[in-house]
Amino acid sequence: QKEVEQNSGPLSVPEGAIASLNCTYSDRGSQSFFWYRQYSGKSPELIMSIYSNGDKEDGRFTAQLNKASQYVSLLIRDSQPSDSATYLCAVNKAGGFKTIFGAGTRLFVKA
Amino acid sequence: GAVVSQHPSRVICKSGTSVKIECRSLDFQATTMFWYRQFPKQSLMLMATSNEGSKATYEQGVEKDKFLINHASLTLSTLTVTSAHPEDSSFYICSARDFAGSEGDRYFGPGTRLTVT
Repeated sequence: QKEVEQNSGPLSVPEGAIASLNCTYSDRGSQSFFWYRQYSGKSPELIMSIYSNGDKEDGRFTAQLNKASQYVSLLIRDSQPSDSATYLCAVNKAGGFKTIFGAGTRLFVKA
Repeated sequence: GAVVSQHPSRVICKSGTSVKIECRSLDFQATTMFWYRQFPKQSLMLMATSNEGSKATYEQGVEKDKFLINHASLTLSTLTVTSAHPEDSSFYICSARDFAGSEGDRYFGPGTRLTVT
């Protein structure tokens, strides 16, 4: 079992729709969870971090965390073509500062 | 926001030579830096954790003698790929943790694309 699992996609949504990205993780003791966006040929940029169960909203982005289910999600409202990228879910392993990345989900937003 | 730089951004070298990649935190002190490698259409794979003043911790399957890491100061970590081979061609990205920040405060460099011919 991979430590962080994501559906590789591609996920295609029309402009203005909600894009929903999902991630599961295996280390039950993990405490910190992140969503990064990566454009082709570039390094990742942090979109959201979440540490507690529930929802966290920042502009058009909402991260959701359910530690009991070991599940993290990212919702992107009013999706724009510029949101087209690969979205990486990342988890800090329990007891340390190592960040482990999922394989990423490619998102295409059609104009 | 915090800035992490990498140098060079792109390098081409011949098989058998060594290449050094620098990672610098420009406006904060980074006690811990992380080195990742990313092959095309794949995710970031953690290679090693670099701690200032001590030996790096390598992930399973990463050769210590091939990927030499030095973290001599709070703002600089270097990765040297020794005796490079074409299969080492990849995108190498460093990440730095802000000593004064929270656990989640880590910043990525722009990456170094290595091509070994």
